[in-house]
Amino acid sequence: EAEVAQSPRYKITEKSQAVAFWCDPISGHATLYWYRQILGQGLELLVQFQDESVVDDSQLPKDRFSAERLKGVDSTLKIQPAELGDSAMYLCASSRGVRGDTEAFFGQGTRLTVV
Amino acid sequence: GQQLNQSPQSMFIQEGEDVSMNCTSSSIFNTWLWYKQDPGEGPVLLIALYKAGELTSNGRLTAQFGITRKDSFLNISASIPSDVGIYFCAGTDQTGANNLFFGTGTRLTVIP
Repeated sequence: EAEVAQSPRYKITEKSQAVAFWCDPISGHATLYWYRQILGQGLELLVQFQDESVVDDSQLPKDRFSAERLKGVDSTLKIQPAELGDSAMYLCASSRGVRGDTEAFFGQGTRLTVV
Repeated sequence: GQQLNQSPQSMFIQEGEDVSMNCTSSSIFNTWLWYKQDPGEGPVLLIALYKAGELTSNGRLTAQFGITRKDSFLNISASIPSDVGIYFCAGTDQTGANNLFFGTGTRLTVIP
C-alpha cells in the first residue's frame, strides 16, 4: 500500500544548528503539506505545495524556515538556526488535490528535539 | 486561516459506550475528513465525505457531512480500548486551493 515516507523519524539537535527533514509523498499526489504539531496540541500548517509551487506559506517563519519541492515530487523542510521552541513533530501529508479527491495521507512524522 | 471548532475537547467513556463528536466551520466546505492520531504517530484517515448530507460508515465509525456544509459529526459505536487517541476533523473550503484546515482535536479515553 502506498504511503508517505518521512525521514528521519527522530532528530535531536542543538540550538543554533541547522536541521532538515525529508518527505516523499504518495506517487501521483500533486499537493504536499508540511504541518507542525507541538506536543499535545493541534496541527499548524507551515507550507503547502501544488506540484513544485508554493500555494500557502503564510505561517512559515521565513527568517529561519525554508521549504522546497524542486521537481514537484519529494520535499525538504529546513530550519536554520534551530531554536528551543522548534521542538515538535513535523508532519508531511499529500493528496491528489483534485475536486472529489482531496483526501490527505500523512507520514509518520519527524520528532524534533532542540536542546 | 479558517478555524474549525471541534467539540468536545476531551471525553472519558466506559468501554462499550457510544461516542459522538462534531466539527463546525464558519464557511462552506467541499470536503470533510476525519482522522485518528495515536501518540507519536501521524494522523490516519478514517472517513472522507464529499457531499452534503452524505452518511458514511467505516466499521464502528459513522460520519456525516452536514446539510449546511458547515458541519460534520463522527460517531463511534460500542467503543473499545484501542479507540483511545485524538480525533481530528479536517476539511477543504470552496476556494479550490486544496487548503486543508484542521480542528483542535478531541482526546478520547476509554475506560475498560
